[in-house]
Amino acid sequence: AQSVTQPDIHITVSEGASLELRCNYSYGATPYLFWYVQSPGQGLQLLLKYFSGDTLVQGIKGFEAEFKRSQSSFNLRKPSVHWSDAAEYFCAVGSNTGKLIFGQGTTLQVKP
Amino acid sequence: ETGVTQTPRHLVMGMTNKKSLKCEQHLGHNAMYWYKQSAKKPLELMFVYNFKEQTENNSVPSRFSPECPNSSHLFLHLHTLQPEDSALYLCASSQEPGTGASNEKLFFGSGTQLSVL
Repeated sequence: AQSVTQPDIHITVSEGASLELRCNYSYGATPYLFWYVQSPGQGLQLLLKYFSGDTLVQGIKGFEAEFKRSQSSFNLRKPSVHWSDAAEYFCAVGSNTGKLIFGQGTTLQVKP
Repeated sequence: ETGVTQTPRHLVMGMTNKKSLKCEQHLGHNAMYWYKQSAKKPLELMFVYNFKEQTENNSVPSRFSPECPNSSHLFLHLHTLQPEDSALYLCASSQEPGTGASNEKLFFGSGTQLSVL
């Protein structure tokens, strides 16, 4: 069965530091992979997506993610975190039944 | 602003109440979805509507009843809910019809935070 795991429930980084949020998936074929961000009191917003081609995907707000098939991972990165990046981040995989399966989310806190 | 509006933002109801959640999208999309987000649990797809027709019911209890009168509006009618139904209910839409957006970009509303007492 398809599944998505975000190992880190909560992460705290200092403003200006680099960020990496982990995402591992379980899927038999080439997956469609997504990262969404949910700011407090807001709905989810798509940061980036991977369908095929270049395994390093650029997204909005300076985020990028790298698809590594050998590790079944799609980690989200940002070189320098801003205080406004504090939010909850969801990794998701498109399944063969057409559903989007979400991970449990990682809460990012940014220290001044 | 994503173009998907949900009302109310917050709702508190007793277990015997009847209430409705409303979702409206101004994007001209053809597909709309209801998701449930419980604390520290993955997002759960509840219902999918394509061109006003329900195409998926993800084993949702009958105390949740969706309605899609047109492609722009989606309702979730609530009746005799349980405390464990307390969650954030998110509406989403997408341009292309699908069975839950395997490869489509979803636009989400801000959600309705529901508390069942």
